[in-house]
Order: sequence, then structure tokens, then C-alpha cells
Amino acid sequence: DTEVTQTPKHLVMGMTNKKSLKCEQHMGHRAMYWYKQKAKKPPELMFVYSYEKLSINESVPSRFSPECPNSSLLNLHLHALQPEDSALYLCASSQDLSRGVSQPQHFGDGTRLSIL
Amino acid sequence: GEDVEQSLFLSVREGDSSVINCTYTDSSSTYLYWYKQEPGAGLQLLTYIFSNMDMKQDQRLTVLLNKKDKHLSLRIADTQTGDSAIYFCAESMGNNDMRFGAGTRLTVKP
Repeated sequence: DTEVTQTPKHLVMGMTNKKSLKCEQHMGHRAMYWYKQKAKKPPELMFVYSYEKLSINESVPSRFSPECPNSSLLNLHLHALQPEDSALYLCASSQDLSRGVSQPQHFGDGTRLSIL
Repeated sequence: GEDVEQSLFLSVREGDSSVINCTYTDSSSTYLYWYKQEPGAGLQLLTYIFSNMDMKQDQRLTVLLNKKDKHLSLRIADTQTGDSAIYFCAESMGNNDMRFGAGTRLTVKP
């Protein structure tokens, strides 16, 4: 069982829809991440939040909008997506980033997103 | 291209040992990880090793790190059909920069 919970597990949406992906962790982690994973590929980093502030945006298109309402929650708001955005979206969390040392990341099971 | 390299496929028979290899290029990596991904699931953190160690054992899993050659391996003893999955090697430095290999698909035959 994963300690990082993502909802929904599956999402089908049209290119004009607006939807949100949600991620929750209760491990007291202060860093949270969004990744995109295409089939048969490794995950690609999209965003990093550290202490609820956006610290890394890997040049992600503005149709993806992250939000971190508190230290346990991470959202990814989706609007006007393209078919090539269909993928597995993974959330992860890790302990704080003091002294710039990365800590092991724990992943959720992902949301499988299909854009029609 | 990716800085972390792994072979794409490995096939073993049930009960045998599996060895999955990985090479990385950044000598400043602090942690090196092995993640397991089963079909339709997220990444499960299997084990990790700090860069000042050369071996870590956890039940059926043994991780070996050769810093001189930048080589990391994962040995799974007594491989079971439930071990069939994709195994990702990953390295991290500071500031949450984590790089993944392409993943090794392990197939366990009965």
C-alpha cells in the first residue's frame, strides 16, 4: 500500500475541459513533486514544491497549473490539454530539503489521464 | 540522452537470482535508488544506498555500489513470479534533481 494517495485513478477528458488531479500524503514530508510518465519510459519531472512554495518548474506548458494548498496536499489543474498530454501522472513526496540534500521520494500509484 | 543507463530486458527462471545493472555518470550523486513498477501502478521505492556505502542488504535484495566505475547493481535472490516488473535505477544530487534510467523489464518464468 502506498502512503501517497492520488485521485482519481483514471481520468478521461476532452481538450476543452478543466479538471484537477489530487495528491495527499500524511508522512510529514515537506517536498512534493509531479511527474509525467509516458508508456515504457521513465518518469519526467514537472514541478517541485518545497515547504508549499514552487521551487522547480521544468518548463512545463501553462495548461498545467500546480497548487500546494498545505503541506499534505498537492493539486495539478488541467485546462485545454492536448492528446499528447495523455500519460500517467505521478505524485511523490520526500522529507525536507535542508542543506540541499535530496531525500528518497515516495510515489503514489498515479492518475492515468486520457485526452480525447 | 539519459545519464543513467540500464539494459532494457532481463529474463530469469523462478528460484534463480536476478542481477540488474546500472551505470551512472555523476560522481557527486548522494543517493542511488532502485524503484519497482508493476503494470498499472506507481513506483515503489525498493531500496537505496548512500554514496559512501558499497553494499546494502535487505532480505532478498542486495545492492552493490562501485563508485570508481560508477556502477550500481541490484541482486534479487530466489526470484519469484511476483518480482516481474520494471526496475528503475535513479541517482540524485542536491535540490531534488533525480535522474532515472530507462528501466529494466524483468520477466520471471515458472
